[in-house]
Amino acid sequence: AQKITQTQPGMFVQEKEAVTLDCTYDTSDQSYGLFWYKQPSSGEMIFLIYQGSYDEQNATEGRYSLNFQKARKSANLVISASQLGDSAMYFCAMRVLAYNTDKLIFGTGTRLQVFP
Amino acid sequence: GAVVSQHPSWVICKSGTSVKIECRSLDFQATTMFWYRQFPKQSLMLMATSNEGSKATYEQGVEKDKFLINHASLTLSTLTVTSAHPEDSSFYICSARVRSNQPQHFGDGTRLSIL
Repeated sequence: AQKITQTQPGMFVQEKEAVTLDCTYDTSDQSYGLFWYKQPSSGEMIFLIYQGSYDEQNATEGRYSLNFQKARKSANLVISASQLGDSAMYFCAMRVLAYNTDKLIFGTGTRLQVFP
Repeated sequence: GAVVSQHPSWVICKSGTSVKIECRSLDFQATTMFWYRQFPKQSLMLMATSNEGSKATYEQGVEKDKFLINHASLTLSTLTVTSAHPEDSSFYICSARVRSNQPQHFGDGTRLSIL
C-alpha cells in the first residue's frame, strides 16, 4: 500500500536553530515524487520543496533541504536558521499513480512551533 | 508565478442550500485541478481529480451527485456542494498543476459552514 507517515505530531525549535521534520513513505513504484508543503494558520498550502525518486542529489531551496534516503524510504525536511514565521503545519506528500493520472497523498502533518 | 485563486474564502449558509466554489489558475494553464477536503487538525483528503474537458475522477466514498465538479477551461474548475448539510461543513481547498511532474499549487481554501 502507498502511504506517507509523519510520526511527529508537534515539534518545538528555538529561533535560529535548525530542525528536522520526519517523513517516511511506502510505495512499490519505481518512479515517484516527494513534496513538502507548509500550511500556516490561515489555511493556504505553500509548496516548499520537491524530490524526485531518480534525483541523485538532495533537493535544496533556500533554508529548506530534503534529506532523501531512498533505501530507508525517508524524505526528511530540514529547516535551517528557523524563523518565527516558520511556525505552521508541515505536510509531506507523495505523488502516486492512479488510473490515467497521478495524485498526491498526504501525511498527517507536523505542527512546528518556533519560539524566541 | 503559479498563483491559484479560490473564491469565496468563507461561506455561511443554511442547510439545504447549494454552494459553488471557484478555483482559478491566474498565470498558468492547468490541465489538471484537484479538490481536497480538510477537517480541523487533520490532513488533506483528496475528493476528486478534474481534467479540463472531461468528467472528474472521484475518490472512493465521495458522492458524485453531492459534490459536482466542472472543469470547463484550462484556468477554471468549480465545486458545487449540492443541498449542503451541517456535516458538509469543512475546509475545501483546490490545487492546480501544469503537468504531472510539476508541483500542485494550492488556492487559499474555502471555509464552509452550514447552519
